[in-house]
Amino acid sequence: KNQVEQSPQSLIILEGKNCTLQCNYTVSPFSNLRWYKQDTGRGPVSLTIMTFSENTKSNGRYTATLDADTKQSSLHITASQLSDSASYICVPRGAGSYQLTFGKGTKLSVIP
Amino acid sequence: KAGVTQTPRYLIKTRGQQVTLSCSPISGHRSVSWYQQTPGQGLQFLFEYFSETQRNKGNFPGRFSGRQFSNSRSEMNVSTLELGDSALYLCASSLRQDRAADTQYFGPGTRLTVL
Repeated sequence: KNQVEQSPQSLIILEGKNCTLQCNYTVSPFSNLRWYKQDTGRGPVSLTIMTFSENTKSNGRYTATLDADTKQSSLHITASQLSDSASYICVPRGAGSYQLTFGKGTKLSVIP
Repeated sequence: KAGVTQTPRYLIKTRGQQVTLSCSPISGHRSVSWYQQTPGQGLQFLFEYFSETQRNKGNFPGRFSGRQFSNSRSEMNVSTLELGDSALYLCASSLRQDRAADTQYFGPGTRLTVL
């Protein structure tokens, strides 16, 4: 059964600080991995998508990394802002499969 | 371009009743997927529709069903509601079906509470 483990479960950081969220997955064979941001009461919004051949992908202050060999991904947020407070969800996708396996997310709180 | 819309946004039902949720995808998008989100389980895939046909289905009981209309709008139905069906139901649309790199755009969700 495909599994996705995200850590930490929750995180509180001061505005302006950096943070890194982790994602370990077992999906195999692997096609791509997305990171989503979900604000409270809203639907998830795609931040980045990486295929197995990509090691890093940036979207503004968000930088995702991928190690397809160890099945690990991380999302680094630089110079955090209050608006970064949200849940961040890791979603790996298997090759030849439509089924998406969603992590339970990391709840990030940025405080002034 | 308008985003994905879902109606109603909030719904309260009692056990045993049935409910129908509606989703209008982004104009031009032909694939619509439904997800259930609960605090304990996170997001779980329900089913995906493309060109009025269910193409993929998650591991949910037959009480959960759906359909897609010729204009790509989709409805999801849950019959004989149980307390455990309380969740946020999210709809997502994408341009094509089963294309790995296609981005799914999510709606705001329908919050269903079963009493």
